[in-house]
Amino acid sequence: QKEVEQNSGPLSVPEGAIASLNCTYSDRVSQSFFWYRQYSGKSPELIMSIYSNGDKEDGRFTAQLNKASQYVSLLIRDSQPSDSATYLCAVSPSGNTPLVFGKGTRLSVIA
Amino acid sequence: EPEVTQTPSHQVTQMGQEVILRCVPISNHLYFYWYRQTLGQKVEFLVSFYNNEISEKSEIFDDQFSVERPDGSNFTLKIRSTKLEDSAMYFCASLQGFDYGYTFGSGTRLTVV
Repeated sequence: QKEVEQNSGPLSVPEGAIASLNCTYSDRVSQSFFWYRQYSGKSPELIMSIYSNGDKEDGRFTAQLNKASQYVSLLIRDSQPSDSATYLCAVSPSGNTPLVFGKGTRLSVIA
Repeated sequence: EPEVTQTPSHQVTQMGQEVILRCVPISNHLYFYWYRQTLGQKVEFLVSFYNNEISEKSEIFDDQFSVERPDGSNFTLKIRSTKLEDSAMYFCASLQGFDYGYTFGSGTRLTVV
């Protein structure tokens, strides 16, 4: 059974702080890793994809991947109230195979 | 920016009735998917579709479900005889290729009463 685990939160951070979101996965052959943001009642919106070990930065977002530890994380710098949402970690063995989602971490950025 | 379009946004149906959920994927995308999410739960994979046939399906996708791409643009999910537990948000997604993330549609909220 392929599992993706996330702390459900809520994770509360003050505006301007760094939010750190974590995810572990069980399937060692996983090759593609994604972070999605989901506002309440809305569809998942892709924020970051990462495929190789290390860090990948895009604006205020940094994704980190450690395949040996089966761990992927998302850092959000200078957090804004508009970042308040549920962040979904999703994993697949390769780019076009079905994604396995975690349950999501609810982030609350306090102004 | 190209979008995946889903209709209707909300559908209420009686138990045992058939429903068809519609999706228009992004035109140059090759892979198509249906996922669903019940309230407070994970986004769950239902079925993937490539080259006009099902490429993979989950345990959820039983004989009550079917998909088709009748005209090269629309991608539909049919539930033949709805159950109360089919109530969920249904998301269509499409994928251009291996190095791109999925693009999700805005979803259809299905309520079975």
